Amino acid sequence: EVQLVESGGGLVQPGGSLRLSCSASGFTFSSLWMHWVRQAPGEGLIWISQIAGDESFTKYADSVKGRFTISRDNAKNTLYLQMNSLRADDTAVYYCARGGIGTEIDHWGQGTLVTVSS
Amino acid sequence: EIVMTQTPLSLPVTLGQPASISCRSSQSLRHSDGSTYLNWVQQRPGQPPRLLIYKISNRFSGVPDRFSGSGAGTDFTLEISKVEAEDVGVYYCTQAKEFPYTFGQGTKLEIK
Repeated sequence: EVQLVESGGGLVQPGGSLRLSCSASGFTFSSLWMHWVRQAPGEGLIWISQIAGDESFTKYADSVKGRFTISRDNAKNTLYLQMNSLRADDTAVYYCARGGIGTEIDHWGQGTLVTVSS
Repeated sequence: EIVMTQTPLSLPVTLGQPASISCRSSQSLRHSDGSTYLNWVQQRPGQPPRLLIYKISNRFSGVPDRFSGSGAGTDFTLEISKVEAEDVGVYYCTQAKEFPYTFGQGTKLEIK
């Protein structure tokens, strides 16, 4: 069974930093793309970043480019999101998600809440 | 970026009746590889999203056959043949043809 468990969320002040982690199990982690998708309270889904299985390339939404960094440790089956220069509009539930055999996102974690506030 | 537009945004449905959600993309989702990367996800209240349909019409593992997808190019539809109580939630179309991946605004399905 595919499992994705996020951690690292919490309350942070504007301008601060936070690192999210996602522990993956139930599949060959290194073979698949991984993504981060976020959802502000009461709002829709926003894709923010992707990383290839072998880390050969990464992609970012314009809203986080230059501030967020996606990475992975295939030996630990763990995905990361380093978030710097956080702003109030980064407040959201952050979902770790698995890329499928094609380009689709086929599994989602339960999410971790990040609140940016003074 | 590709803009995804869903209609309606609110969908009250009687139990056992059909439901239909439309999704339009600002450009064709047909890739040069021949596939069309339009997917549908469901988000039940208080739950993470769940993949329902990928590449227009393929039901993901465990998805009931009352869910079906159709369409081509820029116009797509998700249909539920007979709505059940567990179908309450928000449905999003999403394109995975190119980065950034984008989602529609979401359609909130509720029981009348």
